[in-house]
Amino acid sequence: DTGVSQDPRHKITKRGQNVTFRCDPISEHNRLYWYRQTLGQGPEFLTYFQNEAQLEKSRLLSDRFSAERPKGSFSTLEIQRTEQGDSAMYLCASSLVGGQGTEAFFGQGTRLTVV
Amino acid sequence: GENVEQHPSTLSVQEGDSAVIKCTYSDSASNYFPWYKQELGKRPQLIIDIRSNVGEKKDQRIAVTLNKTAKHFSLHITETQPEDSAVYFCAPRRSGFGNEKLTFGTGTRLTIIP
Repeated sequence: DTGVSQDPRHKITKRGQNVTFRCDPISEHNRLYWYRQTLGQGPEFLTYFQNEAQLEKSRLLSDRFSAERPKGSFSTLEIQRTEQGDSAMYLCASSLVGGQGTEAFFGQGTRLTVV
Repeated sequence: GENVEQHPSTLSVQEGDSAVIKCTYSDSASNYFPWYKQELGKRPQLIIDIRSNVGEKKDQRIAVTLNKTAKHFSLHITETQPEDSAVYFCAPRRSGFGNEKLTFGTGTRLTIIP
């Protein structure tokens, strides 16, 4: 499978626990994005990497959230001290620099349920 | 930031009829205009996009038209089929370093009635 892959697909955690998600982008893509989607809403931008550099973080990304892309390939998103409001689908997407605009390909997402 | 609105929020059409969804945006510097389709429980998938130097683009039964002056673009689906039932999102943006994030519209739930 040469698409964007995310792991795990589903995660159920107790409130207060830490969780970490992984995203493997399409191999030649140098941009990687994290989005959050709640039921009935469109994906909301969280953060974005160009290679290993984190270029922008949304105000939605509280200090409990941290994302890394240490080698410019895969990325991790960690949520510390999870809250019920963190329950959502976390989507990763990747794209390639070039041209006037680049297409973003999405992974299947990680569905987080905080109980 | 970009304000993006879609109309209508829900749309039901008879199979075989056409559907049109409109996306209005605020950032006049936007120059890339994609439409994504998201089926229930699945990832958003790009179905068609247009760049600012083009007014219309067609791919089989789907087309996108752009009016940069009025800052809106529309998705047109002709000869609709049951598999077109999904939520559709527009996500206009600027290109250029640091400006690549997608801001999604509010979504349009399209239902095709057999």
